[in-house]
Amino acid sequence: EVQLLESGGGLVQPGGSLRLSCAASGFTFSSYAMSWVRQAPGKGLEWVSVISGSGDSTYYADSVKGRFTISRDNSKNTLYVQMNSLRAEDTAVYYCAKGVCSGGGCYFGRNCFDPWGRGTLVTVSS
Amino acid sequence: EIVLTQSPGTLSLSPGERATLSCRASQSVSSNFLAWYQQKPGQAPRLLISGASSRATGIPDRFSGSGSGTDFTLTISRLEPEDFAVYYCQQYGSSLITFGQGTRLEIK
Repeated sequence: EVQLLESGGGLVQPGGSLRLSCAASGFTFSSYAMSWVRQAPGKGLEWVSVISGSGDSTYYADSVKGRFTISRDNSKNTLYVQMNSLRAEDTAVYYCAKGVCSGGGCYFGRNCFDPWGRGTLVTVSS
Repeated sequence: EIVLTQSPGTLSLSPGERATLSCRASQSVSSNFLAWYQQKPGQAPRLLISGASSRATGIPDRFSGSGSGTDFTLTISRLEPEDFAVYYCQQYGSSLITFGQGTRLEIK
């Protein structure tokens, strides 16, 4: 069974930093792109970032570009996101998700997500 | 960036009825890379449909997706009590992945 378990969330002051982790199991981790998706309280879903299976390619949403860094350690089956210069609007539940794509035209940046982890809450407040 | 607009915002129906949810894209979605998710309170989203019309593993056949280009539809043929939730569409034809704002399906 595929499992994704996020950790590292918590309360942080504006301008601060936080690193989230996502421990993966039940599949060949290095073969799949992985993403972070967030959801502000009572709001919809917002894609944050994606990383290729090898870890050598990444994309970011404009809202986090230059502040967040996605990475992975395939030897530990773990996905990370380093979040710097945090703002109140970064407050959200952060989900990690396994990338899925089939058919022609697929590449690492083109994914839907299955499954998702349970999420970890990040609160940015003074 | 491709903007996805879902309608209606809220849909009030009774169990046993048919639900039709719409997702319209601001530009054509490449390769019809359009997915649908279901989210219940306090839970992570669950993939229902990928590639506009392919059901994910374990999804009941009362869920179906259709459409192409800029107009997509999720249909639930006969609503079960557990189907009342929020539904999101997502396009992944662009590397800047975007979601719709969601449709809340509530019990009438």
